[in-house]
Amino acid sequence: GAGVSQTPSNKVTEKGKYVELRCDPISGHTALYWYRQSLGQGPEFLIYFQGTGAADDSGLPNDRFFAVRPEGSVSTLKIQRTERGDSAVYLCASSLSGGGAAQETQYFGPGTRLLVL
Amino acid sequence: AQSVTQLDSQVPVFEEAPVELRCNYSSSVSVYLFWYVQYPNQGLQLLLKYLSGSTLVKSINGFEAEFNKSQTSFHLRKPSVHISDTAEYFCAVSRRNAGKSTFGDGTTLTVKP
Repeated sequence: GAGVSQTPSNKVTEKGKYVELRCDPISGHTALYWYRQSLGQGPEFLIYFQGTGAADDSGLPNDRFFAVRPEGSVSTLKIQRTERGDSAVYLCASSLSGGGAAQETQYFGPGTRLLVL
Repeated sequence: AQSVTQLDSQVPVFEEAPVELRCNYSSSVSVYLFWYVQYPNQGLQLLLKYLSGSTLVKSINGFEAEFNKSQTSFHLRKPSVHISDTAEYFCAVSRRNAGKSTFGDGTTLTVKP
C-alpha cells in the first residue's frame, strides 16, 4: 500500500515569506508526527496529532510554527515569517492508533527539504 | 526529559567484519528504545525496537540490539556486515505513554569492499 507522502519534496523561499508543508499519512493511521532534521543531526520532535487534535505540541520552537489536521488525515505544517535558521528537512510520520503511540512503529515520509534564502 | 547519545558519528568497516553502533540514553522514567535506518536517498525506517521482555531484540536482516538498563545502553550489533548495510542509523527513545520520540544524531555506517 501507499506510504506516507510529503509535498513538496523541495521548497526554496526567501526570508520573511510564509510556507506550507503537506503530509499525507498512511490510510487509517490516526497518529501523525512532525519532526525537523537539521544537517548532521537526528530528527527533532515538533508536534504529534491524535486524530484531529494536537496531543503534544511541545516541540514547536515558537509561534511562527503552526500545524493543523482538520479532518484527521492530511496535515499541514505552516511556518510564518521564515528565517534562515528554519532551513532543514521536515519529516512527517504516522502510526496506527496512537493510543499506545510510544510503542508503535512510526512510518516516515521522504521529507520536505526547506531552504530559506 | 530524555536524551540519546550516539557515541560514534561515523563507523567505517570492511565487508564481512562485525560492527557495533553505540547508543546511550538518559531518562528518569521507563522508556521504549528503537533503532531506525536511513538508506541513501530513502526515508527513515524502523530496524528494531525494545518494548519489554527479552532484552535482546533482532531484526530480519541480521542486526540485533541489547537493552542494558544498568548501563542505560542499547547498542546495535551485526556479526558480519554487507555493502548493502551502508546507511545512517539512528537510535531513539520514547517515554511510555508519550507519542514523541527523541532521536540521537545518527551514526553513518560505511561498509567497504
